[in-house]
Amino acid sequence: KNQVEQSPQSLIILEGKNCTLQCNYTVSPFSNLRWYKQDTGRGPVSLTIMTFSENTKSNGRYTATLDADTKQSSLHITASQLSDSASYICVVRDGYTGGFKTIFGAGTRLFVKA
Amino acid sequence: DTGVSQNPRHKITKRGQNVTFRCDPISEHNRLYWYRQTLGQGPEFLTYFQNEAQLEKSRLLSDRFSAERPKGSFSTLEIQRTEQGDSAMYLCASSLDRLGNSPLHFGNGTRLTVT
Repeated sequence: KNQVEQSPQSLIILEGKNCTLQCNYTVSPFSNLRWYKQDTGRGPVSLTIMTFSENTKSNGRYTATLDADTKQSSLHITASQLSDSASYICVVRDGYTGGFKTIFGAGTRLFVKA
Repeated sequence: DTGVSQNPRHKITKRGQNVTFRCDPISEHNRLYWYRQTLGQGPEFLTYFQNEAQLEKSRLLSDRFSAERPKGSFSTLEIQRTEQGDSAMYLCASSLDRLGNSPLHFGNGTRLTVT
């Protein structure tokens, strides 16, 4: 069964600190993996996309990594800000169905405290 | 604002009533998706349109749920005879997916509360 598991479920850090969120997936065949940020009461917004051949990609203070062999991805947030408080959702797209079928993780809820 | 628009933002209804939600996608996007999200969970896929054709429906979409996209533009999601278990955030997303790598663009959802 295609699954996406995220850890930790929630995380509290102090403003200015770094953190790393984890995503493990069993989706096969694999097309791509995205990290989305979802603020409370809003829809998710795409942060990064990783394809099979990529193993790291940065978007400002966000850096995503992908190990396609172990089927793991991480999202590293550097110098956290209060506005980083949100849910971060890992989403994997399968390679069978013309790429429309996406499997969502449950998300990691990040709280950044002053 | 050219993002995905959903209306209403909030809906409170009594059990047994029917409700309808509307989604206006980004205008040039050919794909439109409906998801349901409950607290602490990621979005769960409900259904998907390519232009006006509904190509996939999840088993989550019971016969009380129906979705339309009549002219390949806006879409509606109707829930008949609502139950308390239908309380959730209903998210709409759209994409222009020629290469398979386009992101989903989400609206801010309709939060449904069934009392």
